[in-house]
Amino acid sequence: DSGVTQTPKHLITATGQRVTLRCSPRSGDLSVYWYQQSLDQGLQFLIQYYNGEERAKGNILERFSAQQFPDLHSELNLSSLELGDSALYFCASSVGGLAGGSETQYFGPGTRLLVL
Amino acid sequence: AQSVTQLGSHVSVSEGALVLLRCNYSSSVPPYLFWYVQYPNQGLQLLLKYTSAATLVKGINGFEAEFKKSETSFHLTKPSAHMSDAAEYFCAVSASGRNKLIFGTGTLLAVQP
Repeated sequence: DSGVTQTPKHLITATGQRVTLRCSPRSGDLSVYWYQQSLDQGLQFLIQYYNGEERAKGNILERFSAQQFPDLHSELNLSSLELGDSALYFCASSVGGLAGGSETQYFGPGTRLLVL
Repeated sequence: AQSVTQLGSHVSVSEGALVLLRCNYSSSVPPYLFWYVQYPNQGLQLLLKYTSAATLVKGINGFEAEFKKSETSFHLTKPSAHMSDAAEYFCAVSASGRNKLIFGTGTLLAVQP
């Protein structure tokens, strides 16, 4: 158990809908990262938040957005969903994440999204 | 730009045999390198990481990896495979000041009895 929790574990929805994925980092970790794992794209970094502020952005679609709240939990919002958004979405957390690169990222169990 | 290449999407070994999973990286700056393992229906777990200290890195579950700058490689090894090692293994790279992990495509390890 990494200490990172994600809800829900599974999500089935229809095209065009909007969903919210939730992540609680390990106690004391200030950074939260979101990754998408799909069969065709592999594991891809989406976005990082550090202590409530966006820190780094990857291949995140404009239809996707995220935020980190004062209690450090994070939400990833996916809207206007398409079939191709079906994937496993991971959240990870690390202690700092400002200028490291060497920090260990601890991954949650993921949310499996299926868009029908 | 940084990238990692994992040679062999599927590797099969016999129980007790040597495990060798290959990873080559590309980075214009000194890299940090990681190996993660993913068991079915689970998240990723860190096996080991290289952060410019010792070039031979020992990790959990008997795994180790050697950073070879001249070969831009960071191959993962284990002397003797166990059935419980069957999983997917990911090599990843990040750079100083950049916290995102760039993952390889993964290697699915099968262990035959």
